[in-house]
Amino acid sequence: AQSVSQHNHHVILSEAASLELGCNYSYGGTVNLFWYVQYPGQHLQLLLKYFSGDPLVKGIKGFEAEFIKSKFSFNLRKPSVQWSDTAEYFCAVKVSGAGNMLTFGGGTRLMVKP
Amino acid sequence: NAGVTQTPKFRVLKTGQSMTLLCAQDMNHEYMYWYRQDPGMGLRLIHYSVGEGTTAKGEVPDGYNVSRLKKQNFLLGLESAAPSQTSVYFCAGRRTSNTGELFFGEGSRLTVL
Repeated sequence: AQSVSQHNHHVILSEAASLELGCNYSYGGTVNLFWYVQYPGQHLQLLLKYFSGDPLVKGIKGFEAEFIKSKFSFNLRKPSVQWSDTAEYFCAVKVSGAGNMLTFGGGTRLMVKP
Repeated sequence: NAGVTQTPKFRVLKTGQSMTLLCAQDMNHEYMYWYRQDPGMGLRLIHYSVGEGTTAKGEVPDGYNVSRLKKQNFLLGLESAAPSQTSVYFCAGRRTSNTGELFFGEGSRLTVL
């Protein structure tokens, strides 16, 4: 079974700082990759996803992620964070074409100081 | 269009009590899922359903049962609650198109004393 690792559990940044959150997965085949965000008191919502094609994916609110197959990674980036980006971020993996389950990482809690 | 709706939003149970969480969706999702969210562990899949009348076990199914009698509803039951089941529970739905995107409910916080 695939697993997803998010190595940063808590990240604290000041506004305008750059962000990079790590995500690594264990499955060696074709995968679909996702980043979800959970703002305080809210449900999870999709930030961006990768299925195929350009490995650099752009999502909502200025976020982007790069799929590096050789490193089994799908890191999330944002050049300049805002206070409103304070949230918990989850990386998720789905094995392409097989099964119906998304496997989530443990989450990274981001706090942006104003 | 309410999306994915969970009831109740909060519940406190005593050990050994039973309860049912209801997930209702009006987005015509074929697939529905129940996850639990615990600090540092992300979301773990409890059970899921690929269509009306079908259910399957996920990663952490023990102590839970589910039913999908109608396409729009997915029920999660705890027959005999334990403190280890204290968690936030999320229901999610997905259409049959292969985008893989899940649409989540707002969560149900359950405390077992």
